[in-house]
Amino acid sequence: EMQLVESGGGLVQPGRSLRLSCAASGFTFDDYAMHWVRQAPGKGLEWVSGISWNSGYIGYVDSVKGRFTISRDNAKNSLYLQMNSLRTEDTALYYCAKDPKGDTTMGRRPFDIWGQGTMVTVSS
Amino acid sequence: DVVMTQSPLSLPVTLGQPASISCRSSQSLVHSDGNTYLNWFQQRPGQSPRRLIYKVSNRDSGVPDRFSGSGSGTDFTLKIIRVEAEDVGVYYCMQGTHWPLTFGGGTKVEIK
Repeated sequence: EMQLVESGGGLVQPGRSLRLSCAASGFTFDDYAMHWVRQAPGKGLEWVSGISWNSGYIGYVDSVKGRFTISRDNAKNSLYLQMNSLRTEDTALYYCAKDPKGDTTMGRRPFDIWGQGTMVTVSS
Repeated sequence: DVVMTQSPLSLPVTLGQPASISCRSSQSLVHSDGNTYLNWFQQRPGQSPRRLIYKVSNRDSGVPDRFSGSGSGTDFTLKIIRVEAEDVGVYYCMQGTHWPLTFGGGTKVEIK
């Protein structure tokens, strides 16, 4: 069974950093692009970032550019999101999601598998 | 960025009756490869989202055939032929033609 398990969320003060992780199992991780999608409390879904199978193509939503860094370790079947300079508006449930494509065609019909999410709360 | 606008915001439906959700994009979603990358997701209460439909009208594996997607260009529709209790939740359209990827604001389907 294909599975994604996020971890690393928590309560953090504005301006501080946090690193999220996503452990994948049940599929060949390095065949596929991966994404982070977030959902603020009581709000809708927002794509945050995506990375191709070999990390050759990376994209971010404008609101996190320069602050967040997506990365992956195919040997460990893991996806990461390094979040720096956190703001209160980054408070959300962060989902890891798989793409059915691996390369530059990623993102066209993505998110065929989702994790359960990890909550990030930015507050003083 | 492409803005995705869904309507209605809330959709009360009687069990067994049809439901229809509209999604409009601020730009054409026809990709240079000729495909239209409009996808639909369902999020049941307390659960992670689940992809229902990709490329306008293709149902994902395990999705009941009472769900159907249609549309073209900038105008798209998700229809449920006969709403069942398990269909309660929020439905999102999402475009994958242009970067950054963007979602609609969601439509909450509830039972009257």
